[in-house]
Amino acid sequence: AAGVIQSPRHLIKEKRETATLKCYPIPRHDTVYWYQQGPGQDPQFLISFYEKMQSDKGSIPDRFSAQQFSDYHSELNMSSLELGDSALYFCASSLERSGTDTQYFGPGTRLTVL
Amino acid sequence: AQSVAQPEDQVNVAEGNPLTVKCTYSVSGNPYLFWYVQYPNRGLQFLLKYITGDNLVKGSYGFEAEFNKSQTSFHLKKPSALVSDSALYFCAQGSGSARQLTFGSGTQLTVLP
Repeated sequence: AAGVIQSPRHLIKEKRETATLKCYPIPRHDTVYWYQQGPGQDPQFLISFYEKMQSDKGSIPDRFSAQQFSDYHSELNMSSLELGDSALYFCASSLERSGTDTQYFGPGTRLTVL
Repeated sequence: AQSVAQPEDQVNVAEGNPLTVKCTYSVSGNPYLFWYVQYPNRGLQFLLKYITGDNLVKGSYGFEAEFNKSQTSFHLKKPSALVSDSALYFCAQGSGSARQLTFGSGTQLTVLP
């Protein structure tokens, strides 16, 4: 079965640079979520989109923005990168707007900020 | 705000023995509870979820979890552990209105041969 695809899998950036992470949800899934997992930490919710509209917002810094496109893929844009942004960024997708639906996670993008 | 607690950072069990990974949740309406497993440098894999119905939920790879409303717990269990079950396990709670998952701190399970 098709899974959530994330690209790139690894990304190395310098401080103050920008980064764009991409997420391709499972086909027919209409909801995308972004999570950040720091070293040795649990995943923290950043933001989610339902039917191309932002639906919930978590602990996402103002330097970050995201959107969901007409084909349901999503991009997380990160600017003015800081050392503390180094983390594993997960995208998850689900079908239909409900807290009960299962979120299926992608393999993650490991961002390293030098 | 909802919260999820996993009181054990590390659980060790011998192969073939039953395993339990503990999770308690905060009460906030109807709890929607999930278990995920994470292998090193991999994404989170869905194991099982409780929405409503039977308190004993069966999931992937022989895992099951028991929902206990009076104790606000959702412990993950498996009758006979395998070495390949060694991984990081996360309990998570989702709400009906917000769509975000709140994760516990994770429990590292090590199954010893």
